[in-house]
Amino acid sequence: EIVMTQSPATLSVSPGDRATLSCRASQSVSSHLAWYQQKPGQAPRLLIYGTSTRATGIPARFSGSGSGTEFTLTISSLQSEDFAIYYCQQYNNWLTFGGGTKVEIK
Amino acid sequence: EVQLVESGGGLVQPGGSLRLSCAASGFTFSNYALSWVRQAPGKGLEWVSAISGGGGSTFYADSVKGRFTISRDNSKSTLYLQMNSLRAEDTALYYCAKTIVGTTEDAFDIWGQGTKVTVSS
Repeated sequence: EIVMTQSPATLSVSPGDRATLSCRASQSVSSHLAWYQQKPGQAPRLLIYGTSTRATGIPARFSGSGSGTEFTLTISSLQSEDFAIYYCQQYNNWLTFGGGTKVEIK
Repeated sequence: EVQLVESGGGLVQPGGSLRLSCAASGFTFSNYALSWVRQAPGKGLEWVSAISGGGGSTFYADSVKGRFTISRDNSKSTLYLQMNSLRAEDTALYYCAKTIVGTTEDAFDIWGQGTKVTVSS
């Protein structure tokens, strides 16, 4: 099983600042990496798939990069609605999720 | 509108059974693999099971293999999860999720709202 490790567990950011979230795979997942956003009481929402392709309706301030085992989700200028938990998921060798990064208001 | 609506959750005793359903609309159901993903209270996401669009291929996480069975009825656009020999650690919100391009190993672009399963005596 491919283990996905996200860091940090919690990220404190001020509105308008840039946020950088990391996701590491225990072995290569090629570019088969997705990011989801989850707010309290809501289902996850797909943000990014294929490492860097934004899903339909996702604002351009969200961007993804990386390959192999190291991946990054960047939120260029945090808006109030972006404070949430973010999960990465690999789908190269079955399906596993990272433990999540909580983005909170600083 | 593409939509997934889960149902069938509830309170069940350890060792008991439950069948979850996920009704789909707004897309050609048989063209897409679907998965069940669960989230224990206050925890992260865990993939549980997947089924191909035609239903001929099924896959399970080790944690549920031999206890859970995934199936689908393409004529009714409905996905199922039969859960037997339930344990306290199966307590979670269960989501059904649709893949982007249809293969079983894929990201999920549509999620249901979830159905809650509680295993407790």
